[in-house]
Amino acid sequence: DGGITQSPKYLFRKEGQNVTLSCEQNLNHDAMYWYRQDPGQGLRLIYYSQIVNDFQKGDIAEGYSVSREKKESFPLTVTSAQKNPTAFYLCATWDRGAGANVLTFGAGSRLTVL
Amino acid sequence: QQQVKQSPQSLIVQKGGISIINCAYENTAFDYFPWYQQFPGKGPALLIAIRPDVSEKKEGRFTISFNKSAKQFSLHIMDSQPGDSATYFCAASKTQGGKLIFGQGTELSVKP
Repeated sequence: DGGITQSPKYLFRKEGQNVTLSCEQNLNHDAMYWYRQDPGQGLRLIYYSQIVNDFQKGDIAEGYSVSREKKESFPLTVTSAQKNPTAFYLCATWDRGAGANVLTFGAGSRLTVL
Repeated sequence: QQQVKQSPQSLIVQKGGISIINCAYENTAFDYFPWYQQFPGKGPALLIAIRPDVSEKKEGRFTISFNKSAKQFSLHIMDSQPGDSATYFCAASKTQGGKLIFGQGTELSVKP
């Protein structure tokens, strides 16, 4: 079963706690992305990584951290510094070899801060 | 320069009607314009895409119209069906190394 696996699907967090969202892919795609989705605001880029051991900040990186130690994995940590972390988080990959900017998305993780 | 503005935010259409969603961009360097479809609780999936060398692209009931001079593009869903009810995102990017910039999304509801 190929694709992108995001876990957990639902996560509840108390204020002040860090949480890590998992994103694993078996598509052999080089680039991986994290987006945040809020109603009426579209998809906003948090971080992206084009190769292993390298990643770049997106438009809303404050309060988040990532790592890219393996091609298959791109976990996102939502830190206590993120002021409004309740959102739907989407991981995506891009096959740079395909030429076009076609993003493949996972099913998402919904984080709720209590 | 990097924004993509999408309208309307929500849309209700009767079954069999035409759904129209509009997007406008600012960066004239953008040369790739996809539309993504997202069902509740799922990730978005590519629906259809266009490049600025054509003014229209049709795939089944879905058509993208592109106006390069106005820097606008739109999605038309002909014979809209309840199964088309979803959130639709337009996006834009430069082909070479560009990041996709998404619009704000349109929640479409097709009533039976």
